[in-house]
Amino acid sequence: DTAVSQTPKYLVTQMGNDKSIKCEQNLGHDTMYWYKQDSKKFLKIMFSYNNKELIINETVPNRFSPKSPDKAHLNLHINSLELGDSAVYFCATAGRPNTEAFFGQGTRLTVV
Amino acid sequence: AQSVTQLDSQVPVFEEAPVELRCNYSSSVSVYLFWYVQYPNQGLQLLLKYLSGSTLVESINGFEAEFNKSQTSFHLRKPSVHISDTAEYFCAVSAKNRDDKIIFGKGTRLHILP
Repeated sequence: DTAVSQTPKYLVTQMGNDKSIKCEQNLGHDTMYWYKQDSKKFLKIMFSYNNKELIINETVPNRFSPKSPDKAHLNLHINSLELGDSAVYFCATAGRPNTEAFFGQGTRLTVV
Repeated sequence: AQSVTQLDSQVPVFEEAPVELRCNYSSSVSVYLFWYVQYPNQGLQLLLKYLSGSTLVESINGFEAEFNKSQTSFHLRKPSVHISDTAEYFCAVSAKNRDDKIIFGKGTRLHILP
C-alpha cells in the first residue's frame, strides 16, 4: 500500500492545454507539498499545505493552482501549459513542515 | 532562513572505494539535517537524519553522516561503495523549533566506476 501516490506517472501534452496531477497520502500527515525537479535535478518547492490550508507559495505563476479537498489529497492543476513547465513534479508529505518528508514517485510532465 | 550547499555536483568513485559527499549549511537557529537518495526514475527516499543526540547517524545500508556544529557540516560517508549506490544524493536542512519548510541542496550525483 503506497504511502504517497501520484497519478499519472507520465503526462505528455501540448502547449496551451490544462492538466491536473493528483496526489494521495495514507500516512495521516498534516503537511503536504508540491516540488518541481528540473532537468538538472534541482528540487524547488512550489507549495506547502498544512491541514488543507496553503502556507507556502514560492512565487509560482498563477497558472499553477493547488487544491486540497481533504487532508489526504493535494492536487495540482496547471492552466495554459508552457514548454518550460516540462519537469518532474513530486508530491510529498510530512508530519510537520520541518520534519522528514515522504515523497511520491513523481509525475514526469512533458509539454510539446 | 536556512540554506544548504553541496559543493560537488558529481562524484565519481571506484566500486569498493570509500566516498564522502560534502554538505554545508547556514542557519541562525538550531537545525534538523537530512540526507535523501534518489535512484534513477524514482522519488526521493530518506537515507538518514539528525534531529538531536548523537552527532553520528547511520543508515541501514552502510552510509553514515556526522553533524559538526562548529563547521556547520553534515557530510555523508560510506567506507565501501557498491554499484547499486549509483544515485543522486540530496542534503537538506530545516529549522528545529519552527514549522518551516525543508530546504534542499542542489544534489550530488554519485557515479560508481566498475
